[in-house]
Amino acid sequence: SAVISQKPSRDICQRGTSLTIQCQVDSQVTMMFWYRQQPGQSLTLIATANQGSEATYESGFVIDKFPISRPNLTFSTLTVSNMSPEDSSIYLCSVRLAFYEQYFGPGTRLTVT
Amino acid sequence: DAKTTQPPSMDCAEGRAANLPCNHSTISGNEYVYWYRQIHSQGPQYIIHGLKNNETNEMASLIITEDRKSSTLILPHATLRDTAVYYCIVRVSSMYSGGGADGLTFGKGTHLIIQP
Repeated sequence: SAVISQKPSRDICQRGTSLTIQCQVDSQVTMMFWYRQQPGQSLTLIATANQGSEATYESGFVIDKFPISRPNLTFSTLTVSNMSPEDSSIYLCSVRLAFYEQYFGPGTRLTVT
Repeated sequence: DAKTTQPPSMDCAEGRAANLPCNHSTISGNEYVYWYRQIHSQGPQYIIHGLKNNETNEMASLIITEDRKSSTLILPHATLRDTAVYYCIVRVSSMYSGGGADGLTFGKGTHLIIQP
């Protein structure tokens, strides 16, 4: 299994600012993922972040809005840039350890005012 | 990934078996059935997965029909802590996906409410 921590756990930000979310894993993993969960909705994959390569973004998500860093095998950051109220969501980090299991962090609850 | 259909909500009495159905009529031969759940205010949690045989672990049992077009997740003795949204996901195992984007595609899931 994997223990994943995220910082901050929640934040309230003003429109037009940026927030960087940190994800720390207790073991080395190749593949990390970032998801968004809008209020009352299911999870949507934002991007896949592999160490040593550029992140791969899903349709509807762009690097300028959600830049991702993956400096090593246990850490990643997601930045939500130039925020608007529509960015208010829970952002979750996830890792894949085995071929069939993914583990999720507790999420970062973001409110944009 | 094949599309799945789940009932939006279900109730179950505490102590009884909770049976959560999932339809995946377009499933391909190399696609697995995965179940995750999300307890309120937490990240999703892996429960179980299977290809064609029935599977059981310490959390649940997974029954897959012979034609693989549907499956049922069984929580044998539901407790109040099992109240959560349960997601049925069908996808190719990462072992066969060529190492591409392997994120999960979540549908709307079933909100299971365990009643005391």
